[in-house]
Amino acid sequence: GAVVSQHPSRVICKSGTSVKIECRSLDFQATTMFWYRQFPKQSLMLMATSNEGSKATYEQGVEKDKFLINHASLTLSTLTVTSAHPEDSSFYICSATATGREQFFGPGTRLTVL
Amino acid sequence: AQSVTQLDSQVPVFEEAPVELRCNYSSSVSVYLFWYVQYPNQGLQLLLKYLSGSTLVESINGFEAEFKKSETSFHLTKPSAHMSDAAEYFCAVSVKQGAQKLVFGQGTRLTINP
Repeated sequence: GAVVSQHPSRVICKSGTSVKIECRSLDFQATTMFWYRQFPKQSLMLMATSNEGSKATYEQGVEKDKFLINHASLTLSTLTVTSAHPEDSSFYICSATATGREQFFGPGTRLTVL
Repeated sequence: AQSVTQLDSQVPVFEEAPVELRCNYSSSVSVYLFWYVQYPNQGLQLLLKYLSGSTLVESINGFEAEFKKSETSFHLTKPSAHMSDAAEYFCAVSVKQGAQKLVFGQGTRLTINP
């Protein structure tokens, strides 16, 4: 299967700072990337869908000004959590796909906001 | 809109006992169906999928699932559990057309007792 990486795997930051998470498709060109959020012992909730070269489409209830998504190339999408607060602490997972292919998931990034 | 219900939040079984993780879905259009496995602090790994064709699909590690359209179910089974099967399992659906967004069930934690 295809490989998707995320960086960093774990990040701790102070309240009010911004954090950037990278998602890369290592061996294929991803036309679409998805960002999910997972709270402890809960399911994955889709935050946004990101298509290369265009603005991300956010799910209802997700603040686009707080969770900035950039998909500048076919192998890289970034999620920036701006002015992070403790309630933003969560496990963030990305996935990548190409036309006609399934989603391939990254290993996740655990964000802890102090 | 689609929805997925995993009827059991936790399923404990003894080693070498059979396993069944239940999944029901709701959709007004045709869907693809997936089972993913998640180990602690890791991303999701695709276990098996139903796209079309044979309604019984198998994974390489002994799991199988049967798509039953009349029952809107896609239950995951394995005849004999191993300790290494202990993990969180997610059932998911996506529609056959469009952005292929995944909708996940709540997850089922499979625990294996010796």
